[in-house]
Amino acid sequence: DAGVIQSPRHEVTEMGQEVTLRCKPISGHNSLFWYRQTMMRGLELLIYFNNNVPIDDSGMPEDRFSAKMPNASFSTLKIQPSEPRDSAVYFCASREEVAFFGQGTRLTVV
Amino acid sequence: AQSVAQPEDQVNVAEGNPLTVKCTYSVSGNPYLFWYVQYPNRGLQFLLKYITGDNLVKGSYGFEAEFNKSQTSFHLKKPSALVSDSALYFCALSMGSSYKLIFGSGTRLLVRP
Repeated sequence: DAGVIQSPRHEVTEMGQEVTLRCKPISGHNSLFWYRQTMMRGLELLIYFNNNVPIDDSGMPEDRFSAKMPNASFSTLKIQPSEPRDSAVYFCASREEVAFFGQGTRLTVV
Repeated sequence: AQSVAQPEDQVNVAEGNPLTVKCTYSVSGNPYLFWYVQYPNRGLQFLLKYITGDNLVKGSYGFEAEFNKSQTSFHLKKPSALVSDSALYFCALSMGSSYKLIFGSGTRLLVRP
């Protein structure tokens, strides 16, 4: 397996634009997590899914953020509209017992 | 509420010396505990886990961790540090395979030659 695949690796966008981050989990893993990492706040859990169903989205900062998992092979995290304070590295991880992380998407909102 | 604490922002150690990175947790019940390492511009990599069984667990790259239920700790250790061990280390817990994975704030390990 190629591991957890995230795209894009880097994204630079202007404030107000919509941003979509993508994640392909490891086949067979039944849980998927989205995290955000910044120097100031560390590693924050945004949302997680079990069997494609959102279980806990209490970490989603505000209504501008939304996440979907339409099937077991794909998830998206969308920010609309984006703001400079959303600049961070966003990680996706999938898990059966141990969580494996993607390489992350570095988002810069200017 | 579940939480993980890593009390040290940074640990400095000389190459060849033993290292310890501390982790304590707060939870009701029996947690799954994990250690991850992050190198610059990379995702987190799994090092080791404790689910049940022996309190001393061994993982990748010569690392080990000791689960101490009475002290609610899960410290990461290595007998002899390498410069290449310099990285950011995260402790994490979960209440089971289908539960959320909560991370500590991370500890930067710096191994000097």
